[in-house]
Amino acid sequence: QVHLVQSGAEVKKPGASVKVSCMASGYIFTDSYFHWVRQAPGQGLQWMGWINPHSGDTNYPEKFQGRVTMTRDTSNNTIHMEMRGLRSDDTAIYYCARFLTGYVGAFDIWGHGTLVIVSS
Amino acid sequence: QSVLTQPPSASGTPGQRVTISCSGSSSSVGSNSVNWYQQVPGTAPKLIIYSSNQRPSGVPDRFSGSKSGTSASLAISGLQSEDEADYYCATWDDRLNDLVFGGGTKLTVL
Repeated sequence: QVHLVQSGAEVKKPGASVKVSCMASGYIFTDSYFHWVRQAPGQGLQWMGWINPHSGDTNYPEKFQGRVTMTRDTSNNTIHMEMRGLRSDDTAIYYCARFLTGYVGAFDIWGHGTLVIVSS
Repeated sequence: QSVLTQPPSASGTPGQRVTISCSGSSSSVGSNSVNWYQQVPGTAPKLIIYSSNQRPSGVPDRFSGSKSGTSASLAISGLQSEDEADYYCATWDDRLNDLVFGGGTKLTVL
């Protein structure tokens, strides 16, 4: 069975960095891109970019360029999302999701989410 | 404000048919296929429609999607209590070069 298991909740101070992990199992890790989506409390979904687990290539929307870095570790089927310069409005649940190849914006498997709280 | 416009709420009684709209622009819905997600509070989103009208395996055929011009719709027939959730549409926006989501529609089963 396909699973994406994410790292645990984090509490960070403004200006700090956070790194969230997502471990895949049940399928060939390099077969599908991964995306990250976040959801602020009581709000909607916001796309943060993707990583190709095979090549390591990434793509971030303009709003996150320079502040977000996605990496992968093929030795343990894990992807990471690091965000720097945290602000209070970065408080959100961060989800990793597997891309349904060929269908833009379609994510067929999601992690359970990682709560990141930014507070002084 | 979200790039894709959805009604904030919708409701229906068990057995009824409900539709949720998603309005975009020529650079978003007008140019790209639409996906729909169901999110029960406290859980991760679940893909229920992709490529505007395709259902992933395991999603009941009570759920259907359509797209016309710059608008898309999700229809749920034979409404059940477990359908109570938030629903989001999503598509690529060529002008923004970004994946955009609707603001979400809270579906209540009365």
